[in-house]
Amino acid sequence: QKEVEQDPGPLSVPEGAIVSLNCTYSNSAFQYFMWYRQYSRKGPELLMYTYSSGNKEDGRFTAQVDKSSKYISLFIRDSQPSDSATYLCAMVRNTPLVFGKGTRLSVIA
Amino acid sequence: DAGVIQSPRHEVTEMGQEVTLRCKPISGHDYLFWYRQTMMRGLELLIYFNNNVPIDDSGMPEDRFSAKMPNASFSTLKIQPSEPRDSAVYFCASSFRDFSAQHFGDGTRLSIL
Repeated sequence: QKEVEQDPGPLSVPEGAIVSLNCTYSNSAFQYFMWYRQYSRKGPELLMYTYSSGNKEDGRFTAQVDKSSKYISLFIRDSQPSDSATYLCAMVRNTPLVFGKGTRLSVIA
Repeated sequence: DAGVIQSPRHEVTEMGQEVTLRCKPISGHDYLFWYRQTMMRGLELLIYFNNNVPIDDSGMPEDRFSAKMPNASFSTLKIQPSEPRDSAVYFCASSFRDFSAQHFGDGTRLSIL
């Protein structure tokens, strides 16, 4: 079993839709959870960061962590074409980030 | 502020040649990371440095790969000799104090023919 599992998509939604992106993990030692966004031919950029179970909101983005289920989610409200990118979850235990493979999202105008 | 700068952006070379990738981290950052990204394996950590010292190189695939950080503002990743299976996008990232908020460069797209 891989440490971090993420559905690669692609996921295609109409503009304005609510998007749900998810990752599961197997190692309960993971302490910090991040979401990175990667545009085509660019490096990943940090979008959200959380270290506890529960929700964290930043504008149209909400990160959710459920440590008991080993499951994290990223919700995007009122999705825009500019949100079209690959979204990677990432986690930290006592060594640097372990990334999911990413979910490719397309928001259609 | 300038972000992480990588060069070259693209590299095409023949099998067996030496390849050197370069990275300038964000000034003041004390961690530097080298990653490789492929469709099959995703983003994989190759090696990371803290205060210019290599801490963990367990992700380096083979002895053909080596990395150095001679000072706080420069790092290299070298592949010698290169093989077609080394073709990938190589990213450098830096961060301050911890692993979480890493800033990535735009990568070097490497093709080995």
